[in-house]
Amino acid sequence: QVTLKESGPALVKPTQTLTLTCTFSGLSLSTSEVRVSWIRQPPSKALEWLARIDWDDDKFYSTSLETRLTISKDTSKNQVVLTMTNMDPVDTATYYCVRMEGVGAFGYFALWGRGTLVTVSS
Amino acid sequence: SYELTQPPSVSVSPGQTASITCSGDKLGDKYVSWYHQKAGQSPVLAIYQDTKRPSGIPERFSGSNSGDTATLTISGTQAMDEADYYCQAWDSSTAVFGGGTKLTVL
Repeated sequence: QVTLKESGPALVKPTQTLTLTCTFSGLSLSTSEVRVSWIRQPPSKALEWLARIDWDDDKFYSTSLETRLTISKDTSKNQVVLTMTNMDPVDTATYYCVRMEGVGAFGYFALWGRGTLVTVSS
Repeated sequence: SYELTQPPSVSVSPGQTASITCSGDKLGDKYVSWYHQKAGQSPVLAIYQDTKRPSGIPERFSGSNSGDTATLTISGTQAMDEADYYCQAWDSSTAVFGGGTKLTVL
């Protein structure tokens, strides 16, 4: 059974950099066709896709946030890491790590982690 | 940037059919996925590639997509179906979500 678990700080200050880690179990990130995305959801608001990394290290970012985001993976630890710079209170949200299936336009978000709530406040 | 538009809320009586729409420019040329999210829980994939149901999703859930509108249909709606529903499509290599629809089963 594949599981994903997000971890990171619950509280960050404005202007700080957020680092979130997604740890996989039951699946190796080096396996062909494995793709992982980060998606966030502000309280009582809609889902917003942030970034994606593929098994072959291809990376894709939200056009509105790409200057602030970096996604990477550590295959030896089976982890995907997302960093977001210059945090602002509007970035307060639950951040989800999600395993994708399907390729390109056929892709869909098949398995979601429980999410981790990040609050940005001084 | 590409946008998907959903009605903020839909109400349905138990046992009736609920339809949730998702609109976008030439959306029928893209594949649409649907996710449901119950209060306090993570989203769950309900429909993918317009019409396909993942294992574990009841047969009463179905999807369609044509022209500028995709539709999620729930036949014989049950109280347990009360949730927020989100549509999603890809615009180039960027995933786009609709604003979400709150389904209320009265």
